[in-house]
Amino acid sequence: DGGITQSPKYLFRKEGQNVTLSCEQNLNHDAMYWYRQDPGQGLRLIYYSQIVNDFQKGDIAEGYSVSREKKESFPLTVTSAQKNPTAFYLCASIGTGTLQQPQHFGDGTRLSIL
Amino acid sequence: GQNIDQPTEMTATEGAIVQINCTYQTSGFNGLFWYQQHAGEAPTFLSYNVLDGLEEKGRFSSFLSRSKGYSYLLLKELQMKDSASYLCAVRNQAGTALIFGKGTTLSVSS
Repeated sequence: DGGITQSPKYLFRKEGQNVTLSCEQNLNHDAMYWYRQDPGQGLRLIYYSQIVNDFQKGDIAEGYSVSREKKESFPLTVTSAQKNPTAFYLCASIGTGTLQQPQHFGDGTRLSIL
Repeated sequence: GQNIDQPTEMTATEGAIVQINCTYQTSGFNGLFWYQQHAGEAPTFLSYNVLDGLEEKGRFSSFLSRSKGYSYLLLKELQMKDSASYLCAVRNQAGTALIFGKGTTLSVSS
């Protein structure tokens, strides 16, 4: 079945450590997104990518980095500069060509500080 | 600026009808989405409106008024499994991203 796979499901970060969250999709979608969700909050956009080798900052990009070397993959690195990384991270994708397509979401990664 | 407002919490009983409102002020508009999110899970798509009016899909309906910057999600014949957060999201003018509200947590009791 086509879909978006995020891994790991749970991740723990030590002080001063960079961690990378994986997002892979086999939907042949061009656009991919990373969101952060805090308890009782909506989704806030971290980074997005419309095509391979290109990405743009969202509303809360500081302390995060991404790459888009392949169409299927859009990993997110939470750097040590992100002082409050504890949150639920969601990856999404959408095909281009028709704007009424909804975003498809992965199952999320829950990141906590050790 | 960009702003999407929804009530934080709502409660209702099984079998009832509930309306969740969403008002938005965004620099551009290219469609409005409603998503359902159960605790600890990813959001799932419910509905999409880009033109004014009502879209009906089973027990769920969504309404849009672009001139008023207003939408609502109507849930009929409520079931316990409808207890979840409901997220309103607006697609920006360029069509490149969704802007989400903070969500409305709906609790359905028997």
